[in-house]
Amino acid sequence: GAVVSQHPSRVICKSGTSVKIECRSLDFQATTMFWYRQFPKQSLMLMATSNEGSKATYEQGVEKDKFLINHASLTLSTLTVTSAHPEDSSFYICSASVGRGRDEQYFGPGTRLTVT
Amino acid sequence: AQSVTQPDIHITVSEGASLELRCNYSYGATPYLFWYVQSPGQGLQLLLKYFSGDTLVQGIKGFEAEFKRSQSSFNLRKPSVHWSDAAEYFCAVASGTYKYIFGTGTRLKVLA
Repeated sequence: GAVVSQHPSRVICKSGTSVKIECRSLDFQATTMFWYRQFPKQSLMLMATSNEGSKATYEQGVEKDKFLINHASLTLSTLTVTSAHPEDSSFYICSASVGRGRDEQYFGPGTRLTVT
Repeated sequence: AQSVTQPDIHITVSEGASLELRCNYSYGATPYLFWYVQSPGQGLQLLLKYFSGDTLVQGIKGFEAEFKRSQSSFNLRKPSVHWSDAAEYFCAVASGTYKYIFGTGTRLKVLA
């Protein structure tokens, strides 16, 4: 149980285009979903937290208009990287939790974004 | 402010040797603590977690960790390392606002 999927696993896009990454909780309802970014050989940095039906809360330094997050249902959250640039190339990982407290987060397998 | 420190960036051990990965945290209340493992290009797999109760926690793949409040530590151990254990290991603490704070990770190399 507690499986989180991400799609696509890898994506290459041209500079200036937008790309959408999906995060799904397959066998549970996720009240809260999180989006992380991981640079090569570095730790995970939280980008934003989203609760179903409400606006995402972004971490300091993360551009809201650049990284659009939608949590339309209890099983799906999407991250859209708008007007992507090479510096947006990274490994993006989502996670999901059942509650709003310090519940365990279940992590997706990640999406490798390369902007050319 | 909450923080997690993993003092060792790289660790190399021989296959069959014992392993200890260090993790120190800074958190005002009772922490929720986690250890995750990440293989190259993959997501995170939970090894074990501590919420409360017995301070010695058993996890998957033969790993265990001990919560020591007096030392603010949650070190990960394995008595005998296998070549397949080579990966990146992350310690994390869950804050009161349900955010995970990750350490910088320890990359484990296993020598045959």
